[in-house]
Amino acid sequence: KAGVTQTPRYLIKTRGQQVTLSCSPISGHRSVSWYQQTPGQGLQFLFEYFSETQRNKGNFPGRFSGRQFSNSRSEMNVSTLELGDSALYLCASSKGNPTDTQYFGPGTRLTVL
Amino acid sequence: EDQVTQSPEALRLQEGESSSLNCSYTVSGLRGLFWYRQDPGKGPEFLFTLYSAGEEKEKERLKATLTKKESFLHITAPKPEDSATYLCAVLQTSGSRLTFGEGTQLTVNP
Repeated sequence: KAGVTQTPRYLIKTRGQQVTLSCSPISGHRSVSWYQQTPGQGLQFLFEYFSETQRNKGNFPGRFSGRQFSNSRSEMNVSTLELGDSALYLCASSKGNPTDTQYFGPGTRLTVL
Repeated sequence: EDQVTQSPEALRLQEGESSSLNCSYTVSGLRGLFWYRQDPGKGPEFLFTLYSAGEEKEKERLKATLTKKESFLHITAPKPEDSATYLCAVLQTSGSRLTFGEGTQLTVNP
């Protein structure tokens, strides 16, 4: 069974630009969660989508947004990039029950210059 | 606010030298505690889920245990390929978000 895939794997952007990251969950999984990982803050929850609806949201500014499509694929968008947005962005998929195990993708490494 | 604290931050072991990693948590209501392993440049890889105090799970050289306040990841006779960062995360009673600890970076020398 194919795992969670994320594209692109690496991105370099400049301040003020916007970026869109993509996540394809494991087949049959309906929930996709996004996390930001930085050396100083560790893994922090951004938001979760289930059946095309945002079900949970972390404490990030409105510049961070996402959506989910009918095939459960999800995208995350960051507008007006700041230097502090440089991080590894991870998505995780699960079947949909909150207690189900979340399986992570390889991540997208975003560098903001 | 949920808090997860892992200790030690870093641990160096010789091959075959057993040890334990600690994950202490403060949550309003625990629905599950998850252990992941993360290699450099990769996403976290799932290891175990524990749901209630007293529960134990094993996989190869790893054994995870859970009490009402903390979890331990015991590593028996580790090998160099066990070198990685080990992360624990808690799922609180309400919601579906995981709150992660900072991780323990384990290095096993041959």
